[in-house]
Amino acid sequence: EAQVTQNPRYLITVTGKKLTVTCSQNMNHEYMSWYRQDPGLGLRQIYYSMNVEVTDKGDVPEGYKVSRKEKRNFPLILESPSPNQTSLYFCASSLTGVTPGANVLTFGAGSRLTVL
Amino acid sequence: AQTVTQSQPEMSVQEAETVTLSCTYDTSESNYYLFWYKQPPSRQMILVIRQEAYKQQNATENRFSVNFQKAAKSFSLKISDSQLGDTAMYFCAFLGRFGAGTRLTVKP
Repeated sequence: EAQVTQNPRYLITVTGKKLTVTCSQNMNHEYMSWYRQDPGLGLRQIYYSMNVEVTDKGDVPEGYKVSRKEKRNFPLILESPSPNQTSLYFCASSLTGVTPGANVLTFGAGSRLTVL
Repeated sequence: AQTVTQSQPEMSVQEAETVTLSCTYDTSESNYYLFWYKQPPSRQMILVIRQEAYKQQNATENRFSVNFQKAAKSFSLKISDSQLGDTAMYFCAFLGRFGAGTRLTVKP
């Protein structure tokens, strides 16, 4: 089944304890992206990657890191989480084409992160 | 910078009625694609409909259709014959950016 898999789905952690949210897709998509969803703010893009070894900041990159060493994986790293990073996180992927943003995003199921 | 604005935080509609969700955006691009995604209580993000800016004809998918006004940079979603399963958050999106969402409740 074509899908984007995120783990963990739920996580409660404490301020300053490094954590990684994994994301993997099995559709051979070039483009991958991370979003956070907060009430009243919709989905805001954290980082995105157009292909392996190519990553770029989205609108809210502060406090996050990413890497794209393999095409299928795009982990999100919080080096020193803070309470304002408590949120619902989504990973998404798509093919790329001639026109940027033309392709439909396939989303993971979401990861609910709470930082105490 | 590209922005997406949804000005209706919440809406409700009676089952079988029609409802329209609004979206405006800002861009200097000439060709682009616009999307509506649905997020039911399960939290899964699901594509509803896609529109290419170069196409004059409004996209339609069964009970879902759009009213795309390129000059006005407006992209509204019309849901006909609303069903209880349409209850969800709806997000307008383009170029990787999403609006704040509209929470739609379909009432029996």
